[in-house]
Amino acid sequence: GQQVMQIPQYQHVQEGEDFTTYCNSSTTLSNIQWYKQRPGGHPVFLIQLVKSGEVKKQKRLTFQFGEAKKNSSLHITATQTTDVGTYFCAHLDPSNTGKLIFGQGTTLQVKP
Amino acid sequence: DAGVIQSPRHEVTEMGQEVTLRCKPISGHNSLFWYRQTMMRGLELLIYFNNNVPIDDSGMPEDRFSAKMPNASFSTLKIQPSEPRDSAVYFCASSLNGGNQPQHFGDGTRLSIL
Repeated sequence: GQQVMQIPQYQHVQEGEDFTTYCNSSTTLSNIQWYKQRPGGHPVFLIQLVKSGEVKKQKRLTFQFGEAKKNSSLHITATQTTDVGTYFCAHLDPSNTGKLIFGQGTTLQVKP
Repeated sequence: DAGVIQSPRHEVTEMGQEVTLRCKPISGHNSLFWYRQTMMRGLELLIYFNNNVPIDDSGMPEDRFSAKMPNASFSTLKIQPSEPRDSAVYFCASSLNGGNQPQHFGDGTRLSIL
């Protein structure tokens, strides 16, 4: 199935710094979902974006869906140690079987 | 509310043995997904059921893997015979209706094949 590219693969930041992860596709996506997986844990749904140019916020997290619906980003303002984990984007497979295809994830480390 | 329940949480067994992983989806969810997660390959979808019917099993590695969903509240993933390369974390997830809805993951089964 179609794969999205997530960058960067890893990011180390000092607590208080901002963090952004990007999800890029060569083709138009029908939706984007974002998940967070804490070390040793399971993926937890954060948000879904479906509209071109959509921006949603959850406290310090800002999610964007590009105008062309080919990319998305997750931005964390003033990171905290609780933000540590791997952030995945996922999108609906265009084959219309209803399955999600996950990106490879961005692993965030926050130094206190 | 109970989330997705998987058992066992950990399994260590010798190669060649049969392994059965179990999953109870969230009540009312009609879509169920089995994933495998490894460092090398990331999170891979193995099989996806909708209304207890397998919709997409293209991710099932080979004939040693099989999955069933005999009713709306139970699914199994079986590996027979198991091999060391099957060692991974296996997640079950459920959603209200396919990939357009948030998926709720279980805690996973950490499988080690010696």
